[in-house]
Amino acid sequence: QVQLVESGGGVVQPGTSLRLSCAGSGFTFSSYTVHWVRQAPGKGLEWVALMSSDGSNKYYADSVRGRFTISRDNSKNTVYLQMNSLRAEDTAVYHCARDFDDSGYENYLGYWGQGTLVTVSS
Amino acid sequence: ETVMTQSPATLSVSPGERATLSCRASQSVSRNLAWYQQKPGQAPRLLIYGASSRATGFPARFSGSGSGTEFTLTISSLQSEDFAVYYCQQYNNWLISFGQGTRLEIK
Repeated sequence: QVQLVESGGGVVQPGTSLRLSCAGSGFTFSSYTVHWVRQAPGKGLEWVALMSSDGSNKYYADSVRGRFTISRDNSKNTVYLQMNSLRAEDTAVYHCARDFDDSGYENYLGYWGQGTLVTVSS
Repeated sequence: ETVMTQSPATLSVSPGERATLSCRASQSVSRNLAWYQQKPGQAPRLLIYGASSRATGFPARFSGSGSGTEFTLTISSLQSEDFAVYYCQQYNNWLISFGQGTRLEIK
């Protein structure tokens, strides 16, 4: 079955960096767009970034553009989120999620990981 | 950026009654609209896509409608397991966005 497992979260100080990983299994990883979506404690969902199946397209939310970088290694079935210059407001559970289908442009999220918690605090 | 606005923020409904949740887009998203259900401690779960297509595993009491800027999620007869937070999401362009959510609670 389709699985997405995030890792790399933790407690970090403001201004520092962290890299999250999302490992996919149970499907042809290289065929699907993958997203990062975050949820601050007690708050709603916020889309963060996406990368298309072949890595040719990547997009970011305004709140993270210039600080976060999404990348993928299809040989390892893994997507990464490099987060730099972290702020307190970046504190959230970070989920990776996969497009429901492999069209590349129907970006509704059919499968989600359970998420990894990032806490930015001094 | 397309801003998605959901209303109400909280909806209190008795089991067996009908619930109607609204989602408005700041510009047309055609029918590129999805709904998700999230229960405490769980990841969101895809409920509706293409504004009205129901995802696998959800019963027929869930229905979606709308196009352009106005969308509705209707749950015809609420069951105990339906009480959760519901989010809409537009995917009309690469910069996707979510609404702030509607919490459906037991009255």
